[in-house]
Amino acid sequence: QLQLQESGPGLVKPSETLSLTCTVSGGSISSSSYYWGWIRQPPGKGLEWIGSIYYSGSTYYNPSLKSRVTISVDTSKNQFSLKLSSVTAADTAVYYCARLVVIGSSYAFDIWGQGTMVTVSS
Amino acid sequence: DIVMTQTPLSLSVTPGQPASISCKSSQSLLHSDGKTYLYWYLQKPGQSPQLLIYEVSSRFSGVPDRFSGSGSGTDFTLKISRVEAEDVGVYYCMQGIHLPPAYTFGQGTKLEIK
Repeated sequence: QLQLQESGPGLVKPSETLSLTCTVSGGSISSSSYYWGWIRQPPGKGLEWIGSIYYSGSTYYNPSLKSRVTISVDTSKNQFSLKLSSVTAADTAVYYCARLVVIGSSYAFDIWGQGTMVTVSS
Repeated sequence: DIVMTQTPLSLSVTPGQPASISCKSSQSLLHSDGKTYLYWYLQKPGQSPQLLIYEVSSRFSGVPDRFSGSGSGTDFTLKISRVEAEDVGVYYCMQGIHLPPAYTFGQGTKLEIK
């Protein structure tokens, strides 16, 4: 059973860089069948797609965050990572990693991590 | 950018009664391949979202048949024929274009039991 687990600091100072890692277990991140993504949820608010990555390293970002986001993959560790620069309080959220798999004719998020809360505060 | 608008934002339903949630997109979700990439997710309290419906009306594996989706173009609906206590949570519609990837969620509709 494939599982995803987010990890990283729960507190980040304003203007610094938020860094999170998603560890994939029970399956290979290098499978050509999947993409991998990051989604966030501010407290009491809805979901926002941040970006996605393929095992080859191809990345796709939400245009609203593109200038501050970097997603990378480390196939040797079966992990992919998120970096969000110049954070503000508006970046306070639960951050989820998730798998994208073909369901029907296109990709959708089918397996999610439990999420990790990141607070931006001095 | 495509904006997804859900109504209502909350609803309270008596067990055994039906429930309906609307999702409207700011532009048509009909893809050039003839498919419509509209999905529904449920986020139960304290849990991560789980997929219910894909491509407007297809139920994902293990989803009870009391859940159904319909719609086309810009207007979509999720219906629960008979609400059960385990259905409480926040329901999100999501549009998903994969190439290039662009996923946008609605604001969410909170379902509670009366």
